[in-house]
Amino acid sequence: KQEVTQIPAALSVPEGENLVLNCSFTDSAIYNLQWFRQDPGKGLTSLLLIQSSQREQTSGRLNASLDKSSGRSTLYIAASQPGDSATYLCAVREEYGNKLVFGAGTILRVKS
Amino acid sequence: DGGITQSPKYLFRKEGQNVTLSCEQNLNHDAMYWYRQDPGQGLRLIYYSQIVNDFQKGDIAEGYSVSREKKESFPLTVTSAQKNPTAFYLCASHDGVWTEAFFGQGTRLTVV
Repeated sequence: KQEVTQIPAALSVPEGENLVLNCSFTDSAIYNLQWFRQDPGKGLTSLLLIQSSQREQTSGRLNASLDKSSGRSTLYIAASQPGDSATYLCAVREEYGNKLVFGAGTILRVKS
Repeated sequence: DGGITQSPKYLFRKEGQNVTLSCEQNLNHDAMYWYRQDPGQGLRLIYYSQIVNDFQKGDIAEGYSVSREKKESFPLTVTSAQKNPTAFYLCASHDGVWTEAFFGQGTRLTVV
């Protein structure tokens, strides 16, 4: 059974810092990996989608990498801002069943 | 604007009562999903549907039921058999395994 783990569970940083969020998964039979942002009491907003054949994707200050063989992904946030404060979730889409399996998330707080 | 609409935003259920959560999408996506989110946990899959008139159980289907009579609609019924229904429920859709998933804004269900 696919298991997705996110480390750290929570992170507090001063504004302007660069930071890295980690995501690992146990089964490499995936179509892709997606990073989401969730604000309190809200739905999920898609940040980046990386296909299994890709190594990284970039959007603005965000850069996500994927190492499928080792079952790892990282989300790099450059020059963090207080508005980046949210929960960040990663999810893998399994080849078997096409299901999206989520990690528990990393709660990020950027202090001004 | 295209998107996923969940209603209601807040729902209160009495003991022994069935309630139905609505999920409507105008993205023309074939696949739709229902997830449950509990505090401090990742999203857990309840049911999913890859095409109209077909759906499959997810990891925590007991006490829930769904229907998929129209492409744009995927309602979730929380039955009296679900003993701990208090949670945040999220609906999602996507247009093929290689595309990103989109989420609604969620319904918070509380047992009173």
